[in-house]
Amino acid sequence: GAVVSQHPSWVICKSGTSVKIECRSLDFQATTMFWYRQFPKQSLMLMATSNEGSKATYEQGVEKDKFLINHASLTLSTLTVTSAHPEDSSFYICSATGLAGGPDSYEQYFGPGTRLTVT
Amino acid sequence: LAKTTQPISMDSYEGQEVNITCSHNNIATNDYITWYQQFPSQGPRFIIQGYKTKVTNEVASLFIPADRKSSTLSLPRVSLSDTAVYYCLVGATGGGNKLTFGTGTQLKVEL
Repeated sequence: GAVVSQHPSWVICKSGTSVKIECRSLDFQATTMFWYRQFPKQSLMLMATSNEGSKATYEQGVEKDKFLINHASLTLSTLTVTSAHPEDSSFYICSATGLAGGPDSYEQYFGPGTRLTVT
Repeated sequence: LAKTTQPISMDSYEGQEVNITCSHNNIATNDYITWYQQFPSQGPRFIIQGYKTKVTNEVASLFIPADRKSSTLSLPRVSLSDTAVYYCLVGATGGGNKLTFGTGTQLKVEL
């Protein structure tokens, strides 16, 4: 099946700094990528939907100026957590869907996740 | 997006068949039903997807009654490695359609 990678797999940063997380579709072109956040013992919460070449659509309650999303190519989306605080510590997961009409277009492929710890 | 309801947790023993039922009373005509598996500190993994009746693949079966208001994920002969959280989602297919994760079912398999 299609593979989605994330980098880094874990990161520790100091409060007030920014951190960037990359999401790559390795063997297919992803027109749409999604970013989720998951706190311990909780379900995944969708943060935003990212379409290649256009601005991301954020879910209600998610600060777009804090969580900057860029989807500059069909294989790469980035999430930048700006001015991180301890409450931003979480597990961040991306997913990607293939080109509409293709064999993978009905399925979301998830990355392995990135553990962010803000101290 | 249709809301789903699943049991919070289930326990089973190795070698048994496990059936996890999901309720989705407000499923729309163009919605598909998809199940994902998630291990701790990993991204969800696609298990199976269906629209109606029965779908089977190498790891699971999905049973969907005619009214489509519920679905049952069946895992044959579970092992310890099947201990995970299982999510039932409903939504329209096609690239770009967002998924809403419910609470999921924590399956614990013991010896």
